Amino acid sequence: GAGVSQSPSNKVTEKGKDVELRCDPISGHTALYWYRQSLGQGLEFLIYFQGNSAPDKSGLPSDRFSAERTGGSVSTLTIQRTQQEDSAVYLCASSGEDREGTKNIQYFGAGTRLSVL
Amino acid sequence: GDSVTQMEGPVTLSEEAFLTINCTYTATGYPSLFWYVQYPGEGLQLLLKATKADDKGSNKGFEATYRKETTSFHLEKGSVQVSDSAVYFCALGRSSNTGKLIFGQGTTLQVKP
Repeated sequence: GAGVSQSPSNKVTEKGKDVELRCDPISGHTALYWYRQSLGQGLEFLIYFQGNSAPDKSGLPSDRFSAERTGGSVSTLTIQRTQQEDSAVYLCASSGEDREGTKNIQYFGAGTRLSVL
Repeated sequence: GDSVTQMEGPVTLSEEAFLTINCTYTATGYPSLFWYVQYPGEGLQLLLKATKADDKGSNKGFEATYRKETTSFHLEKGSVQVSDSAVYFCALGRSSNTGKLIFGQGTTLQVKP
């Protein structure tokens, strides 16, 4: 597609349930990022994938959070045993190089709004 | 570690007023600097960027100059429109290895007709 696609756009779940959030990056982009946007915390980095390299997981808040990227394209962020504090908008971004060779131009999806009841 | 500080909002202006949103950063070396905008109900969009000191990024009438000496990247627009109402995020990034962006807290701009 033309842009970064995320699904679902909204997800309501009960505390303790597992959820999976999907991200389809821009075709040809080798880098993929997950961020979380929540009230009071702003935009927080979660995890970064670059090609076949080991992902940078330094932003994952707990071991309940995990992510994978299959075939260097689609990524899934999984949250196990969800808690109310996990309620936020989860944003995915992908990046490639622009015409000037700048590598860090990230293009964002519209996000998944997660509500944990 | 790297960090970004933005002026707190909300900022409320009348149409055609001059806009400044302050952004300062803390980082070693020479990061790239960005302004992203989030319109109501939409995802983040890149507004402008600068990759080295004294670079000026510009787009849609917005400008920001990368000032190494003051570690700042203030966003300006000479005449705002109602359609500029959005949340603006200043961000810092590195072009090498881990490409994560460090964002400021965001500044909400509301422009009234």
